[in-house]
Amino acid sequence: AQSVAQPEDQVNVAEGNPLTVKCTYSVSGNPYLFWYVQYPNRGLQFLLKYITGDNLVKGSYGFEAEFNKSQTSFHLKKPSALVSDSALYFCAVRGRAGGGNKLTFGTGTQLKVEL
Amino acid sequence: GAGVSQSPRYKVAKRGQDVALRCDPISGHVSLFWYQQALGQGPEFLTYFQNEAQLDKSGLPSDRFFAERPEGSVSTLKIQRTQQEDSAVYLCASSFLLGPQETQYFGPGTRLLVL
Repeated sequence: AQSVAQPEDQVNVAEGNPLTVKCTYSVSGNPYLFWYVQYPNRGLQFLLKYITGDNLVKGSYGFEAEFNKSQTSFHLKKPSALVSDSALYFCAVRGRAGGGNKLTFGTGTQLKVEL
Repeated sequence: GAGVSQSPRYKVAKRGQDVALRCDPISGHVSLFWYQQALGQGPEFLTYFQNEAQLDKSGLPSDRFFAERPEGSVSTLKIQRTQQEDSAVYLCASSFLLGPQETQYFGPGTRLLVL
């Protein structure tokens, strides 16, 4: 079975400071990893994904994520947070072997960026 | 281009009523997925289609839930004899191809409230 853990329900950061949203995963074999963002009353918007290759993945809106196989982590980062980044962030995983094509999501992390 | 659309956006049903939720995927996308998102939780997989074929329905919570995609485009999720525990946001996603590396693009969701 595959699973995702997002250990922080909420992350608070000041505008202009770097932000990190944590994600760890469990899956058989090598993973495909995704980050999505959800604004109120809207669906999930794709930010970035890790398939293979470079462990640092760059995505939309200045976000990036680092794949760490030994720590089974895929933390989302941004060098300088904006108030408009405030939203709910979901990490998701798919296994290369088994698990089908479905995404398994974490419970989400609410990011609040304050002036 | 147009994204994934879902209708209705909001649905209030009395317990025991049947409901039908519609999803229009991105044009040309082969794969279509349904997820259920309970309040404060991440989305959970329900079922997926490749064209008109339903390849995995392991996430459907009971036989009251039924999904179809008869012409390989629009999909309908039907819930019979709704119960209060069915209250959730139902998300539809589509991807161009079927494969674990493919990005799923989500619609805005249908918020179902069963009274």
